[in-house]
Amino acid sequence: DSGVTQTPKHLITATGQRVTLRCSPRSGDLSVYWYQQSLDQGLQFLIQYYNGEERAKGNILERFSAQQFPDLHSELNLSSLELGDSALYFCASSAGTGGFYEQFFGPGTRLTVL
Amino acid sequence: AQTVTQSQPEMSVQEAETVTLSCTYDTSESDYYLFWYKQPPSRQMILVIRQEAYKQQNATENRFSVNFQKAAKSFSLKISDSQLGDAAMYFCAYRPDSNYQLIWGAGTKLIIKP
Repeated sequence: DSGVTQTPKHLITATGQRVTLRCSPRSGDLSVYWYQQSLDQGLQFLIQYYNGEERAKGNILERFSAQQFPDLHSELNLSSLELGDSALYFCASSAGTGGFYEQFFGPGTRLTVL
Repeated sequence: AQTVTQSQPEMSVQEAETVTLSCTYDTSESDYYLFWYKQPPSRQMILVIRQEAYKQQNATENRFSVNFQKAAKSFSLKISDSQLGDAAMYFCAYRPDSNYQLIWGAGTKLIIKP
């Protein structure tokens, strides 16, 4: 158990819908990262927050947005869902920012868009 | 562009034998970190071993060790005394010190034959 929690575990929805994925980092960790793992694109970094502020952006679509709240939990919002958004979405957290800090991964949320 | 290449989509090894998984990366950065992650069927992403680029000594964690060749931009993982529980997808990942995101290889599926 990494100490990072993600809810829900599974999500099944229809095209065009909007969903919210939630992540609670390990106690004391200030950085949260979101990754997408899909069959065709592999693992991709989406976005990082540090203590409530956006720090880095990767291959995140405009239909996707995220935020980190004062209690440090983070939410990833996916809207106008398409079939290709079906993937496993991971959240990871680390104590600080920068390469030195290990990222601990949550169990992921499996999103299926029908 | 920073890329990570795992040229072996699948490897198999007899239980108790040794196997080496290959990884190469491309970067112009001088400070970075390299990782091997294991993803078993549960889909949990588990850190196996990490290597700091500034360290010449190869990292070792019990039965897992790496062969880090900085000039060749090569970072292979050796698993000794393979066990059935080692069966998983193994991902090589790179993170520059100047950036916060992990860049992933496509993964190698490791099969352990009893």
